[in-house]
Amino acid sequence: AQSVTQPDIHITVSEGASLELRCNYSYGATPYLFWYVQSPGQGLQLLLKYFSGDTLVQGIKGFEAEFKRSQSSFNLRKPSVHWSDAAEYFCAVGARNNDMRFGAGTRLTVKP
Amino acid sequence: NAGVMQNPRHLVRRRGQEARLRCSPMKGHSHVYWYRQLPEEGLKFMVYLQKENIIDESGMPKERFSAEFPKEGPSILRIQQVVRGDSAAYFCASSPPRLEAFFGQGTRLTVV
Repeated sequence: AQSVTQPDIHITVSEGASLELRCNYSYGATPYLFWYVQSPGQGLQLLLKYFSGDTLVQGIKGFEAEFKRSQSSFNLRKPSVHWSDAAEYFCAVGARNNDMRFGAGTRLTVKP
Repeated sequence: NAGVMQNPRHLVRRRGQEARLRCSPMKGHSHVYWYRQLPEEGLKFMVYLQKENIIDESGMPKERFSAEFPKEGPSILRIQQVVRGDSAAYFCASSPPRLEAFFGQGTRLTVV
């Protein structure tokens, strides 16, 4: 089955600084890729997704992610972080049969 | 179109009792996923179901846990003879074929 690795358990950045959250996947075919965000005590909200086409995808809240097949990566980026971005971020990979697997998550703390 | 509905939001059970968690997928969604999130941990895949079929249950504990998604009605995650270690947030997600999953708000199970 497919799998996802998020190497960073916890990241702290200053408000206004840029952000990159790493995601590496393992899957034998072209995957569907997703980033979700979870605020404390809440469910998961989809930030963006990649199915095919342009490898740089734009999402909500100013986030973007780039699919790099050669590196099996789908890193999430934001040029300037806001305090409200503090949350848990999950990368997910979906197989063609819709079977989705999530990474362990990266907790983002934003310093004032 | 209501989102994915999970109930109850909070469930308290004594050790040895049964817990039933319900998930009503979004209208038109035929795929349901259950995930468990332990405190301070990421999402762990449990089971992936389509109507009346279990597609992948590789993440389900071998004993006490079962899931179903009947032709009519919600998907049910059932935990028999609960133990303290079952205390967690259980999230359900649904999706149409080959598209992203939408998550419910989760059920927080506490075993006392």
